[in-house]
Amino acid sequence: EAQVTQNPRYLITVTGKKLTVTCSQNMNHEYMSWYRQDPGLGLRQIYYSMNVEVTDKGDVPEGYKVSRKEKRNFPLILESPSPNQTSLYFCASSLSPSGTADTQYFGPGTRLTVL
Amino acid sequence: AQKITQTQPGMFVQEKEAVTLDCTYDTSDQSYGLFWYKQPSSGEMIFLIYQGSYDEQNATEGRYSLNFQKARKSANLVISASQLGDSAMYFCAMRVFSGSARQLTFGSGTQLTVLP
Repeated sequence: EAQVTQNPRYLITVTGKKLTVTCSQNMNHEYMSWYRQDPGLGLRQIYYSMNVEVTDKGDVPEGYKVSRKEKRNFPLILESPSPNQTSLYFCASSLSPSGTADTQYFGPGTRLTVL
Repeated sequence: AQKITQTQPGMFVQEKEAVTLDCTYDTSDQSYGLFWYKQPSSGEMIFLIYQGSYDEQNATEGRYSLNFQKARKSANLVISASQLGDSAMYFCAMRVFSGSARQLTFGSGTQLTVLP
């Protein structure tokens, strides 16, 4: 089954404790992206990757890191989480970054709480 | 920079009636795409419909249609014959195709409630 998976689905942590949210897709997609969703703000893009070893900042990159060492994986790293990073996080992928009608497929989301 | 505006935080519609969810956008690019996603209470994001800026006809997908008015920069979603399962948050999004960025910019969403 074609899908985007994220782990963990729920995470409660404390300020300053490094964490990683994994994202994996099995569709051989080139483009992957991370979003955060906050009430009243919709989804905002954190980082995206056009292909392996190619990453770039989205609208709200501060406090986050990403890497793209393999095509299928795009982990999101919070080196020193803070309470303002409490949010619902989505990973998404699409076949090609240049496609026009190219649909982005979303993972199930990771609800992160930073105390 | 791109911007999506959804001015209706919440909408109610009677079952079996049609409903229009508003979306306006702002971009200086000529080549772009507009998307609508549905997010039910379970949280997943479900792609509904796509409209390209050069598409001459309005997009349709089953009960969903997109009322695209390029001059007014609006891309309203029309849901015909609403069903109880249509109750969800709906997001309008845009992606420009010029330059190297391929960001998808989202609006703040509209919470639709279908009444029995």
